[in-house]
Parts: sequence; structure tokens; C-alpha cells
Amino acid sequence: GAGVSQSPSNKVTEKGKDVELRCDPISGHTALYWYRQSLGQGLEFLIYFQGNSAPDKSGLPSDRFSAERTGGSVSTLTIQRTQQEDSAVYLCASSLVYATGELFFGEGSRLTVL
Amino acid sequence: SQQGEEDPQALSIQEGENATMNCSYKTSINNLQWYRQNSGRGLVHLILIRSNEREKHSGRLRVTLDTSKKSSSLLITASRAADTASYFCATERSGGSNYKLTFGKGTLLTVNP
Repeated sequence: GAGVSQSPSNKVTEKGKDVELRCDPISGHTALYWYRQSLGQGLEFLIYFQGNSAPDKSGLPSDRFSAERTGGSVSTLTIQRTQQEDSAVYLCASSLVYATGELFFGEGSRLTVL
Repeated sequence: SQQGEEDPQALSIQEGENATMNCSYKTSINNLQWYRQNSGRGLVHLILIRSNEREKHSGRLRVTLDTSKKSSSLLITASRAADTASYFCATERSGGSNYKLTFGKGTLLTVNP
């Protein structure tokens, strides 16, 4: 596709359930980023990928959060045993090259944990 | 903690007026970027200014950067109702692992018709 695609756009889940959020970056973009945006707040960095590797996972809030990227393309962010404080918009972005220039964002996945 | 902090948090103006938003940051940077976010949407890149640049223009946008004061400003001239959105500054730190942009909390701009 022409832009960064994220799915689902909206997800409502019950506390304790696992969720998977998917990001399909712009074709050819080697860098992929996950951010979290809570209501009325700025963006909190979670993790980035260069190719399939994630050199720094220190932004992930807890060990319930994990992410992977396969084939240098699609990435999945998984949240296990969701908590109410996980409710937020999860934004994915990609860039052509690592660590420079503009990021292209998807529309986000809005997660609501009841 | 946030690297960038926008000021003001909210700004309401009339169509045709100019809007100025400010951003302060804490560490040395390679570049500073401004993004726009319409309600419920993703962020859209507006402009990037490098640390060795002092001013940059793009259409109705003017960005300044003062590295001695660690601050930047975004000016939108002749504002339109369609400019209503949240505006974020983002910084790329110099040195170390330059793998992420750090965003502020944003300025919510409302342009009244």
C-alpha cells in the first residue's frame, strides 16, 4: 500500500486477555517504530526495528509487551494479560533509513481494556 | 521524561491570524521536526530543521531553531479552520543511539472560522 497500515483500528478487550496489533510499513522502509499515545498525551517510544532486529527494547513498559518483525516488513506488537492502564492508541511508523529524516505514521490502533 | 515540551498547551485563534507554538528541549540534537495530528488520526510530518540551520520555510509554515536556548518555534501564517489540529515537536538526539524521535505533549490549535 501507499502508506503505513495498522490493524485493527479499534480493539476492545477484557482485562487479562492477550491482544495483537499489526503494522504493515511502507514498502522498502527498513526502520519501523512503535509508539504509544495515551489520551491527551504525547507519544511514548516503545521499540524500534532495523530490519528484523530490535536493538533496544527498553521502551517497552513491562515484560507483558513484546514485538517482532518478520521479513523486514510486517511487525506485530503483542500485549499479554492486558491491564486497564494499557488502554491507549498504539502508533506505528516507518522510515526509509535508520535514525534520520521523517517518520511516516499509520492511523493507529485504539486499544480499550475494560 | 519528555525531551520536548510545547508551549502553549492550547491555543485558540481566529481564521486569518497567525499562530505561534514553541518547543523547548533538553539535550543536544541532530535535528528537530514538527508533526501535525488531526483528532483520531496518525501524525503527519510538516518540516525538519537541522541543528546547523536557524530558520526554514515551507508554504505558510516558518520554523526557527535556537540551539543556544534549546528552543524552536513554529509559525503558521494566515491560519485556516483546516489548520485545527495538535502540533508536536520531536527531537533526534545527537550522539549515542540516534534511533528514535522523542516527542513532546503537543499544542492543541483551534482555528475558529
